[in-house]
Amino acid sequence: DQQVKQNSPSLSVQEGRISILNCDYTNSMFDYFLWYKKYPAEGPTFLISISSIKDKNEDGRFTVFLNKSAKHLSLHIVPSQPGDSAVYFCAASRSLWQGGSEKLVFGKGTKLTVNP
Amino acid sequence: ETGVTQTPRHLVMGMTNKKSLKCEQHLGHNAMYWYKQSAKKPLELMFVYNFKEQTENNSVPSRFSPECPNSSHLFLHLHTLQPEDSALYLCASSHNRAGELFFGEGSRLTVL
Repeated sequence: DQQVKQNSPSLSVQEGRISILNCDYTNSMFDYFLWYKKYPAEGPTFLISISSIKDKNEDGRFTVFLNKSAKHLSLHIVPSQPGDSAVYFCAASRSLWQGGSEKLVFGKGTKLTVNP
Repeated sequence: ETGVTQTPRHLVMGMTNKKSLKCEQHLGHNAMYWYKQSAKKPLELMFVYNFKEQTENNSVPSRFSPECPNSSHLFLHLHTLQPEDSALYLCASSHNRAGELFFGEGSRLTVL
């Protein structure tokens, strides 16, 4: 049973436009969400995170939105650049103080291609 | 020098071989992790060590044996693996908080 789902295996956008990557989760106890980016032949790198007490977190061109009632989060990249082409993983965890293990549960990833 | 270093980057082994994957982190983190990434599957957590103590074993078969001699080093000993164990094995570390993992580049394992 997949607790974190990224239903789009791939996404293609034009340079300069907005990229929107989506992620859904099923466990309502998750309270911390992250996006990781992975280039071929490299390990994933942390991109941006959001706590469940917020609904938006912005860092430069990257913004993550969290809709707790829908159990949905999205990553917006604007403007998209060719160097953003990578696989993006959504991940979620439940904090220790909430009885969780701080174990990250990952989605399968979405491959983003930004065309020049 | 990268924060999390994994060796070897590529490994091919037969089902009767014994080999080990090594991970070293230079970030001063307290927690280290082994993840497995198979094709078209999510990253799967295998083991977690916190201050050298194993805090999580995610129902991993005994043919995978982790070792954490100190907070900076983590090994994954491999013995009598199956072809379906072929995957990318990623090591990660984190400070004492939820979430932010720093990953190594991975060890690509092929079992023949």
